[in-house]
Amino acid sequence: KAGVTQTPRYLIKTRGQQVTLSCSPISGHRSVSWYQQTPGQGLQFLFEYFSETQRNKGNFPGRFSGRQFSNSRSEMNVSTLELGDSALYLCASSSGTSSQETQYFGPGTRLLVL
Amino acid sequence: KNQVEQSPQSLIILEGKNCTLQCNYTVSPFSNLRWYKQDTGRGPVSLTIMTFSENTKSNGRYTATLDADTKQSSLHITASQLSDSASYICVVNAGTYKYIFGTGTRLKVLA
Repeated sequence: KAGVTQTPRYLIKTRGQQVTLSCSPISGHRSVSWYQQTPGQGLQFLFEYFSETQRNKGNFPGRFSGRQFSNSRSEMNVSTLELGDSALYLCASSSGTSSQETQYFGPGTRLLVL
Repeated sequence: KNQVEQSPQSLIILEGKNCTLQCNYTVSPFSNLRWYKQDTGRGPVSLTIMTFSENTKSNGRYTATLDADTKQSSLHITASQLSDSASYICVVNAGTYKYIFGTGTRLKVLA
């Protein structure tokens, strides 16, 4: 089975711009979660989608949004970028049917905001 | 406030030695505790998942323990290898797919 893929892998934007990141989960997985990872804060949960519905949300401002398509692929959008949004953005997929299941992470998209 | 604290922040050991990483948590409700290994520039990879009733779980040279009474977990690495150099992240699941992450322990194994 192919693993979780994320595109693009690297991205450079300037303040005020917006960005869209994409995540393709493992085939058959219906849950996709997004995380932001920075050196100072570590990994922080952004939101989780299951069957095209946002099921859980972390404590991030409304500039961070996402969606999931019928094929379980997910996109994350950040509008009006700020310097502090520079981070590694990770997505993880799972079947979404149990809190005990393993999450499989993608390689991440590294975003640099100038 | 839900929190997961890991210690030490970083650790350097010689190849072949054992080491133990610590994780203390104040998370409620508690569903399970996970340890992940993250190589530089890559996404985390799951090592172990433990529920409230489990107090030990192994994955090869990695052994995790959980004391739900004291809300502490440890990850023991036996006979370390150069490939063990990575960040190790402790994560507590607070139910309903809500994950609280520790900031990780950065391990460096020297030849």
